[in-house]
Amino acid sequence: GDSVTQMEGPVTLSEEAFLTINCTYTATGYPSLFWYVQYPGEGLQLLLKATKADDKGSNKGFEATYRKETTSFHLEKGSVQVSDSAVYFCALTPRGSGNTGKLIFGQGTTLQVKP
Amino acid sequence: EPEVTQTPSHQVTQMGQEVILRCVPISNHLYFYWYRQILGQKVEFLVSFYNNEISEKSEIFDDQFSVERPDGSNFTLKIRSTKLEDSAMYFCASSSDSLVGTQYFGPGTRLLVL
Repeated sequence: GDSVTQMEGPVTLSEEAFLTINCTYTATGYPSLFWYVQYPGEGLQLLLKATKADDKGSNKGFEATYRKETTSFHLEKGSVQVSDSAVYFCALTPRGSGNTGKLIFGQGTTLQVKP
Repeated sequence: EPEVTQTPSHQVTQMGQEVILRCVPISNHLYFYWYRQILGQKVEFLVSFYNNEISEKSEIFDDQFSVERPDGSNFTLKIRSTKLEDSAMYFCASSSDSLVGTQYFGPGTRLLVL
């Protein structure tokens, strides 16, 4: 079945460091891909999305490119801030008839940014 | 900005008791979902709901679970006879489009079954 695999965390970085969180997926067809973020004590918020191959999603300095050839959707940010500390989830929505938009999540990666 | 709300934020119950978790989705959304996250594990899909019926459910969503949209605004998840392993954070989400639309999540209900 469809699945998402994220790099293990936690990831600890100093402020202004470069961030990469790896995400790969297994799916039939061409799913839509998402990154969600969960700040402490809050629900999940959409960070960015891409709906077809080679699309780049971006928001708040974060970027991810839908790579069909490597089935990846890695999250990057050039300079992280303490306020970026959160749990990041990669997710997909399968495509095709009968699909209802359910999200299939990776296990989440905790990011801690130190001043 | 419109948001999804959930009540209660925390619920403690005894094993075997029934619980109802409530959600108010964003008003013009048509697709509704429940997910759960057991502590330390990934967020798992439970059920999707569209046009007043279940459109998809996972293996987790057995006969002990049910969903309802009783009045056009609330969306509820009922667990008839709770088990210890039902202890988790339950998230409601809604969307205006099933395939590419953003799902907006509520803050969750933390359920503890003793």
